[in-house]
Amino acid sequence: QVQLQESGPGLVEPSQTLSLTCTVSGDSISSGRHYWSWIRQPAGKGLEWIGRICIRETAQYKPSLKGRVTISADTSKNQLSLSLTSVTAADTAVYYCARGPRYGGVPSPLDYWGQGTLVTVSS
Amino acid sequence: DIQMTQSPSSLSASEGDRVTITCRASQPVSNFFHWYQQKPGKAPKLLISTVSNLESGVPSRFSGSGSGTDFSLTISSLQPEDVATYYCLQTNNIPHTFGQGTKVEIK
Repeated sequence: QVQLQESGPGLVEPSQTLSLTCTVSGDSISSGRHYWSWIRQPAGKGLEWIGRICIRETAQYKPSLKGRVTISADTSKNQLSLSLTSVTAADTAVYYCARGPRYGGVPSPLDYWGQGTLVTVSS
Repeated sequence: DIQMTQSPSSLSASEGDRVTITCRASQPVSNFFHWYQQKPGKAPKLLISTVSNLESGVPSRFSGSGSGTDFSLTISSLQPEDVATYYCLQTNNIPHTFGQGTKVEIK
């Protein structure tokens, strides 16, 4: 059974950097079979895709976040990381990591999700 | 970016009613199209992948259809446990984009 677990600080000060980790079990990031995505959801609002990574290529990001966001993978720990710089209150959200889509242009969803972690941007 | 427009934004129906949610993409997304159910405080749950493929364990009262830019999710007989917000997602293009959600309630 594939499981994902997000972790990181629940409170980040404005203008600082938000850093989260997603630990994956039940699948191997190093297999290169899937992309691994980050998604966020402000309270009471909809879902926003942030970006994705596959070890076979460089990460891809939502254009409006490009320049502030970095997604990386640590295959030795089977973990993903998300870094978001210069945060403001607008970045306050529940952040999810998810597996998917499958690599290689195959029509496929984000199939397994972590439980999410709330990050609040406030001084 | 591909815009995904869901309608309605919310609906209230009686138990046993047939309910349909639609999602329109601003450009064709082929079968890179999926539906999710999200209950309060929980992560989204994949219901239907690639337009019409029901995920394992999802009740057969859920079904998906559509092509190109127009898609729909139907609940054939609404049950109390179906109260949730439903989202569509396209993975055809970067950035992947979600619909704004449809909140389903029971009268």
